[in-house]
Amino acid sequence: DGGITQSPKYLFRKEGQNVTLSCEQNLNHDAMYWYRQDPGQGLRLIYYSQIVNDFQKGDIAEGYSVSREKKESFPLTVTSAQKNPTAFYLCASSRGLATETQYFGPGTRLLVL
Amino acid sequence: QKEVEQDPGPLSVPEGAIVSLNCTYSNSAFQYFMWYRQYSRKGPELLMYTYSSGNKEDGRFTAQVDKSSKYISLFIRDSQPSDSATYLCAMSNPSGGSYIPTFGRGTSLIVHP
Repeated sequence: DGGITQSPKYLFRKEGQNVTLSCEQNLNHDAMYWYRQDPGQGLRLIYYSQIVNDFQKGDIAEGYSVSREKKESFPLTVTSAQKNPTAFYLCASSRGLATETQYFGPGTRLLVL
Repeated sequence: QKEVEQDPGPLSVPEGAIVSLNCTYSNSAFQYFMWYRQYSRKGPELLMYTYSSGNKEDGRFTAQVDKSSKYISLFIRDSQPSDSATYLCAMSNPSGGSYIPTFGRGTSLIVHP
């Protein structure tokens, strides 16, 4: 089955720790995205990538970093500089940026200890 | 003022009711309009998308866009308890070649038996 997988489902972060969220897709999509969702809020764009080895900041990139070394993978690192990391993180992909349809993964819930 | 406004609800209706979910927006450049359904602790899934003004029907769901009023709606006929979820509207301006959407914060719908 084609789709997007995210792992882990739940992640706990200690103070001062960097954590990495995994996102993998087998849809052969060129574009991938990371969103953050807080209770009662819409999705806010963190980073996006149109192609391998290229990515752009979204609206709330501070305290986050990404890499895109493979077409299938777009990991997100939440760094210690992100002071309020508790949220639901969603990865999405689309055939390209010039495509209206995004497909989402199941999400990772990040909690701070 | 946010670019996309959506009442968070919750909206509680009896099974079989017709449900109307709405969003307003301020950016007249938006051309593509989408509705996503998100079950609790899951990723959003695309329900429908429409281009420019008009109606689109898919089974029990009808999406309506009124660009002159900057207002979009999703109607659900014969609502079922399985329709209980958060419904996110999203819209994009494809100028510049990117369809990255702006999301509303979602309306929580509860359909009770």
